Amino acid sequence: EAGVVQSPRYKIIEKKQPVAFWCNPISGHNTLYWYRQNLGQGPELLIRYENEEAVDDSQLPKDRFSAERLKGVDSTLKIQPAELGDSAVYLCASSARQGLTLNTGELFFGEGSRLTVL
Amino acid sequence: GDSVTQMEGPVTLSEEAFLTINCTYTATGYPSLFWYVQYPGEGLQLLLKATKADDKGSNKGFEATYRKETTSFHLEKGSVQVSDSAVYFCALTGRRALTFGSGTRLQVQP
Repeated sequence: EAGVVQSPRYKIIEKKQPVAFWCNPISGHNTLYWYRQNLGQGPELLIRYENEEAVDDSQLPKDRFSAERLKGVDSTLKIQPAELGDSAVYLCASSARQGLTLNTGELFFGEGSRLTVL
Repeated sequence: GDSVTQMEGPVTLSEEAFLTINCTYTATGYPSLFWYVQYPGEGLQLLLKATKADDKGSNKGFEATYRKETTSFHLEKGSVQVSDSAVYFCALTGRRALTFGSGTRLQVQP
């Protein structure tokens, strides 16, 4: 069974340019998460989807970040315009159901997309 | 708010040495606790978990016990191998989603 797939793995852009990351979760997983991981730190939640609905986006910087999961399957995270401080690894994760996940902790993570903003 | 504090790394050990990675937490209520591991070039994956006080999670020779009185969940392994070299993250079930610590890099030398 395929795991969580993310692309691109690496992206280098200049500040003020746009960038987009794509995530395809494990088949059948209703809950999708985007986390950001700064160098030397743990992942921090940006947004959580239940199917196509963004149920928790309180930590998403909405002035420059946007996300969508139109058909409740794959998702795109966009940054426009990018700033130097956006350099990080953007992680996508999925799980079968949020309620169950909070008891079992079983989030399945992709390999991440490493963004470097120059 | 909820938070997790881990010992800073890197932790460098020789093969077959004993490993302890400290983790303490602050949370309201009774969270579940987890250790995730990230091997080089791979995504984060769940290593072990404990859902209530005094539970012991174990997997691949690693163990951690949920200590409510000390709010700790230290990771231990009796004899590490080179293949255990990775970054280890302690986490808890926060109000919104999993809350992670900053990670501890383990380097095991042959």
